[in-house]
Amino acid sequence: NAGVTQTPKFQVLKTGQSMTLQCAQDMNHNSMYWYRQDPGMGLRLIYYSASEGTTDKGEVPNGYNVSRLNKREFSLRLESAAPSQTSVYFCASINPRGGGVGGELFFGEGSRLTVL
Amino acid sequence: GDSVTQMEGPVTLSEEAFLTINCTYTATGYPSLFWYVQYPGEGLQLLLKATKADDKGSNKGFEATYRKETTSFHLEKGSVQVSDSAVYFCALRRTQGGSEKLVFGKGTKLTVNP
Repeated sequence: NAGVTQTPKFQVLKTGQSMTLQCAQDMNHNSMYWYRQDPGMGLRLIYYSASEGTTDKGEVPNGYNVSRLNKREFSLRLESAAPSQTSVYFCASINPRGGGVGGELFFGEGSRLTVL
Repeated sequence: GDSVTQMEGPVTLSEEAFLTINCTYTATGYPSLFWYVQYPGEGLQLLLKATKADDKGSNKGFEATYRKETTSFHLEKGSVQVSDSAVYFCALRRTQGGSEKLVFGKGTKLTVNP
């Protein structure tokens, strides 16, 4: 059981380049999230998807787009990367109906992105 | 809006010392409360949780009690180990209009020295 899988784990981009972070979960969860983690800022929500076919903005959506391709996959795209987007990105999923775990978030291992 | 405030770090302790990391929250309704832990180079993982007032969550020697009257969920451990060195996040979750709201604190870095 892999849980939440993110790719790539590391990426270096030049300013203006584009890229997509991929996320897949195999737990049949409805809701998926993208967070960024910066020193001293904790976790900030970029976008989330409450269910397949829906996406909503979080706290810091500017400069990002997302696609909920199907129930398993939720991708994050940077169309024109900027140095301010240098961060560690985490994908997470949750089944709001609980399933006995009280709504625990499951996180991927993170994707470390550097924009030069 | 909803918010979580946890004590600023970093926190440095010696092995076998007592640990407290304070966490207070602001939310409408009755959120569930969580502590997540992030070990170096890894994603966050659930440490413990409490879903209603006066519940005590516990795991791996860590404990936290949901105190509605003080809107707090402080994390404690009686005797820390070097392996407890990590970043700890307090979080709340509640349902609003059919959607989930999840809010994290900024994290507290703990270093335990032998």
